[in-house]
Amino acid sequence: DQQVKQNSPSLSVQEGRISILNCDYTNSMFDYFLWYKKYPAEGPTFLISISSIKDKNEDGRFTVFLNKSAKHLSLHIVPSQPGDSAVYFCAASGSGNTPLVFGKGTRLSVIA
Amino acid sequence: EAQVTQNPRYLITVTGKKLTVTCSQNMNHEYMSWYRQDPGLGLRQIYYSMNVEVTDKGDVPEGYKVSRKEKRNFPLILESPSPNQTSLYFCASMGQGNSPLHFGNGTRLTVT
Repeated sequence: DQQVKQNSPSLSVQEGRISILNCDYTNSMFDYFLWYKKYPAEGPTFLISISSIKDKNEDGRFTVFLNKSAKHLSLHIVPSQPGDSAVYFCAASGSGNTPLVFGKGTRLSVIA
Repeated sequence: EAQVTQNPRYLITVTGKKLTVTCSQNMNHEYMSWYRQDPGLGLRQIYYSMNVEVTDKGDVPEGYKVSRKEKRNFPLILESPSPNQTSLYFCASMGQGNSPLHFGNGTRLTVT
């Protein structure tokens, strides 16, 4: 049973517009959420995180929104740039050093 | 430079020939983990280790072994590789509390 779901395998966005990547989770014990970005031939790199005590966290062009009641989080990239083209993984964990659970990833293509 | 180093980056082997993929981190992290990435399946955890001499199964441990004799190293061992273990493997480590996972650059394994 998938605890973290990214229902869109791919997304195409025009350069300069907003990219919105979505993630749903089922485990109500999750209290820490992260987004990772992965380029081909490289390992995933940490992008941004949010704890369950917040509903929004912003870092430059990247903002993560958390809706606990809906068990949903989203990553907004504004404005999108061609260098943002990558696979984005959503991940979640519970308290302490419990293992991260990853979604299947969404491939974002930003078209110039 | 803080990093997770995996070797080799690429490996082609034959069914049944034992192999080891090494992983080393220089951040004094207690938590280390192995993942495999397959098309359409995202990142799935194979094994993880919360500390030296402590290892636990992840979601897909069958056919794999690990050891954690010292904090910095966490090798992944395939005693008798099979073609269904052809995949892209990532090692990762994490510090205390809500800190993000740091990933290595991956090992692409092909078993013929």
